Amino acid sequence: RKEVEQDPGPFNVPEGATVAFNCTYSNSASQSFFWYRQDCRKEPKLLMSVYSSGNEDGRFTAQLNRASQYISLLIRDSKLSDSATYLCVLPKSGGSYIPTFGRGTSLIVHP
Amino acid sequence: NAGVTQTPKFQVLKTGQSMTLQCAQDMNHEYMSWYRQDPGMGLRLIHYSVGAGITDQGEVPNGYNVSRSTTEDFPLRLLSAAPSQTSVYFCASSPLRGPTGELFFGEGSRLTVL
Repeated sequence: RKEVEQDPGPFNVPEGATVAFNCTYSNSASQSFFWYRQDCRKEPKLLMSVYSSGNEDGRFTAQLNRASQYISLLIRDSKLSDSATYLCVLPKSGGSYIPTFGRGTSLIVHP
Repeated sequence: NAGVTQTPKFQVLKTGQSMTLQCAQDMNHEYMSWYRQDPGMGLRLIHYSVGAGITDQGEVPNGYNVSRSTTEDFPLRLLSAAPSQTSVYFCASSPLRGPTGELFFGEGSRLTVL
């Protein structure tokens, strides 16, 4: 099993919809996670950090389910500008300096 | 705020040519790394460094060299370019201490090898 797995999508949703992505992980020792957003032909940028059970920032909610080893990203009231690829990241842990990236989930929000 | 600066942003090479992608950060981050990103492959780690004088290989190091003579700079050298190295390259840095996993990326360098 890969360390971090994501459904590549694309998820096609209309404006105003609620959409959720999951990211499963295999390292059960992970205590925190990150969601990055990457716009087309741009660099990834940190969207949210997820510590303990979850985090909420405006229309975005990230949750951590330790028992099932997945994290989710929920986007409410989708905007056209939310169209991007969302990357799930496991931070450096256990003596490793290397964050582990998922391959990303593509979201397309249409009018 | 400069953050992580990569140069050049675009480059076209012929097979067999060599070149260096430059990366500089002004945040005093110990950790620096190079990724390549290809369609459908996600980000793949090429080389990384946890401080001046210390480098190590990532997932796809073949055909690339790095050095870390200062905290600020982490250049990536292509020794003899091949078409398979056509990609988008990202440099990223983070502090080793503090929030783990938060990486700061440069804007990317788009390389085409003919």
